Amino acid sequence: AQKVTQAQTEISVVEKEDVTLDCVYETRDTTYYLFWYKQPPSGELVFLIRRNSFDEQNEISGRYSWNFQKSTSSFNFTITASQVVDSAVYFCALKSIPALGNTPLVFGKGTRLSVIA
Amino acid sequence: DTGVSQDPRHKITKRGQNVTFRCDPISEHNRLYWYRQTLGQGPEFLTYFQNEAQLEKSRLLSDRFSAERPKGSFSTLEIQRTEQGDSAMYLCASSLARASGSSHEQYFGPGTRLTVT
Repeated sequence: AQKVTQAQTEISVVEKEDVTLDCVYETRDTTYYLFWYKQPPSGELVFLIRRNSFDEQNEISGRYSWNFQKSTSSFNFTITASQVVDSAVYFCALKSIPALGNTPLVFGKGTRLSVIA
Repeated sequence: DTGVSQDPRHKITKRGQNVTFRCDPISEHNRLYWYRQTLGQGPEFLTYFQNEAQLEKSRLLSDRFSAERPKGSFSTLEIQRTEQGDSAMYLCASSLARASGSSHEQYFGPGTRLTVT
């Protein structure tokens, strides 16, 4: 079975602080993809990043960075120098690619980030 | 705007009524997905189409729910005899699957918020 755990339900930080959102996943498949999505108050899920299971290189995009560690089944997301516009619910998601059949995209419960000016 | 669109954005209905939602995917995307999101939860997969074929349905999709994608473009999700437990955000997403492989990222619409009174 596939599962995504985001243990942090809510986080509040003061603007310009760095913040890390944790994501732990479970899958028996060796091929899988991991995603992060942002859901601002408007409600639309915005795709941020995709990572496949064979690429453990960390990635940086502006103030965003992602740390993928297969040894701990984690795919954590760090926002550097947070801004008020970063306030949103962030979801980690997993799509396993089994040898046969198909699996759906499985989401965690999300972490609500509030950045206070 | 060439993103995923959904209509209506909000729907209030009385218990027992039927409702229908529409999703228009990104034009070149051949896969279309429906999800349901309740308060404080991540999106949960309901069903997906590849072109006009409905390839998978979640056990969450009771017999009161039906989805169609008749021409492989837009899709409709109908809920018959609505119940208060159907109140949720219904999200549509689309992706592109190529014969050479799929990147698997899904792009989401703004959702339809259903309230059953």
